[in-house]
Amino acid sequence: KNEVEQSPQNLTAQEGEFITINCSYSVGISALHWLQQHPGGGIVSLFMLSSGKKKHGRLIATINIQEKHSSLHITASHPRDSAVYICAVDGGGADGLTFGKGTHLIIQP
Amino acid sequence: NAGVTQTPKFQVLKTGQSMTLQCAQDMNHEYMSWYRQDPGMGLRLIHYSVGAGITDQGEVPNGYNVSRSTTEDFPLRLLSAAPSQTSVYFCASSYAETQYFGPGTRLLVL
Repeated sequence: KNEVEQSPQNLTAQEGEFITINCSYSVGISALHWLQQHPGGGIVSLFMLSSGKKKHGRLIATINIQEKHSSLHITASHPRDSAVYICAVDGGGADGLTFGKGTHLIIQP
Repeated sequence: NAGVTQTPKFQVLKTGQSMTLQCAQDMNHEYMSWYRQDPGMGLRLIHYSVGAGITDQGEVPNGYNVSRSTTEDFPLRLLSAAPSQTSVYFCASSYAETQYFGPGTRLLVL
């Protein structure tokens, strides 16, 4: 079973700061997902990565397959970025994703 | 498209009662899944389906049944509710690179 670890568990930062959230996993994967869970509970897919780097607006996600590590960066953070960010890995089979416990991010104005 | 819908949003059950959590998607996705989310833990897979008529167990299937008679619907049945099943339940469907989650059902078992 893949073990997915996220760090930090909690992060409080000031508006405008550059944010980095890390995810490491123990077993090789076919893809890694970054998800955002809003304070109201809804979960939204941000990125799916199998290699390299992806960018969407102020969000950047990178993955290093050899090191079994991914990072999610937020540039020019804003209070509306406050949410739980969840890393999930896909082992390539039909049996779904394995999720990290999430990083609770608060951006203060 | 409505995406993935779940009903009810919130439910209170007594120990031993049964109920069905409904999940539907209108995107014609073959793959659907049910997860539960508990405090301090990542989401865990309960059951999944790769298409109509095909279901399989995930990591924590005990106490739950599923069926997939159509592509659109994937209901989760609690056979005899227990306090340990108090959780938030998410249904999801996926296609290509993207996971689509329903809004969740909060279940409290007393």
